Formats: sequence, structure tokens, C-alpha cells
Amino acid sequence: EVQLVESGGVVVQPGGSLRLSCAASGFTFNDYTMHWVRQAPGKGLEWVSLISWDGDTTYYADSVKGRFTISRDNSKNSLYLQMNSLRTEDTALYYCAKGGITMLVALDSWGQGTLVTVSS
Amino acid sequence: DIQMTQSPSTLSASVGDRVTITCRASQSISTWLAWYQQKPRKAPKLLIYKASSLESGVPSRFSGSGSGTEFTLTISSLQPDDFATYYCQHYNTFSITFGQGTRLEIK
Repeated sequence: EVQLVESGGVVVQPGGSLRLSCAASGFTFNDYTMHWVRQAPGKGLEWVSLISWDGDTTYYADSVKGRFTISRDNSKNSLYLQMNSLRTEDTALYYCAKGGITMLVALDSWGQGTLVTVSS
Repeated sequence: DIQMTQSPSTLSASVGDRVTITCRASQSISTWLAWYQQKPRKAPKLLIYKASSLESGVPSRFSGSGSGTEFTLTISSLQPDDFATYYCQHYNTFSITFGQGTRLEIK
């Protein structure tokens, strides 16, 4: 059974930094593209970033480009999101999600999310 | 950037009803579209991928159709467990775009 467990969400001040982690199990992690998706309180889903199976290819939403960095450690079956220069509008539940062996695949498994609150 | 627009934003229906949710893309996306169901305080669940392919384990009362710019999600006979929010999603090799969501509520 696929399991994705996010961690690292806390309350942080505007301008601060944070690193989220996602521990994966139940599938061959290093075969799959992985994503971060966020959901602000009471709002819809917003895609944040994706990373290819080998970590060589990354893409970002315009809203986080230049501030967030996605990475992975296939030896640890882990996905990360380094978040810098945080803004109040970054407040959201952050989900990691599993893509496919190719990049043209929907997100078939999701974690339960970790809450990031940006507030002074 | 491609925009995804769902309609309606809210839909009231009864158990046993047939319901349809529409998703429109601002330009052609072939069939690179998925549908998700999200219940309160839960992660989204994939229902349909590639516009009309049913994800494993999803009940057959859910179906998807469309290509190009117009897509639909149909639930043939609503069950109590189906009251939730539904999102369409366009995916390609370098980004993902979600629709704003359709809240399906009990009439």
C-alpha cells in the first residue's frame, strides 16, 4: 500500500524559511515523479512543484518560483520542499503526491498534508 | 497559461440523482484531464484520468468524457458517500492546473 507522510509544517513569520519532508513507502520511490500541492484554508487546490524520478528536472508554479526548491533523496525514499521568503499567502496545507513513471500522469496517491502557517 | 473553469460552483442534488459537472479549458488540452474527489479534512482522491479512464477501485457510477476544451464528470446515481467537492485538473509534462472546484451538496 502506498503511503506518503508529510512533516515539517509549523507557524513561521513572514520572510522566514521552512523545509517540508515527505516520507514515501509502498512503491518504488525512485521510479516516480513527485509533486507538492497546497490548499489554503477554505480554498481550492493549487499545484506547487514537481520533480522527476531522478531529480534532474523540476518545475514550479509562478507563485513560488525563485522562493521554493523541490528536491528528493531516493536513498531515503524522501521528498522535500525548501520554502524561503515565506509570505502570508503561503499559508496552506501542503500535500505531497505521487505522479507516474512518465511525467504525463495524474496524481494517484496523496499524503494527509502538513500545515504551514505564515503569520507574525 | 491554461485556465480551467468548472461549473457549477455548487450543485444541490438528492440521493439517486444523475449529476454532471463541467470543466472547460482555456485552450485545447487533448485528453490530459483528471477528476478528483475531496471530502472535508481529507486528501483528494483520484477518480478519473486521461479524461475518461476510471481509476482502479472507483465505483462505476463515476464516468468522465470530453476532449479538447470541454469535459464532464457524471455520477449516474448519487450515493450518500458522493457528497463532496470535485476538482478537475489539467496535467502536462511541466505543470498542473486545477479547476476551482464544485461543491456537491445534499438537497
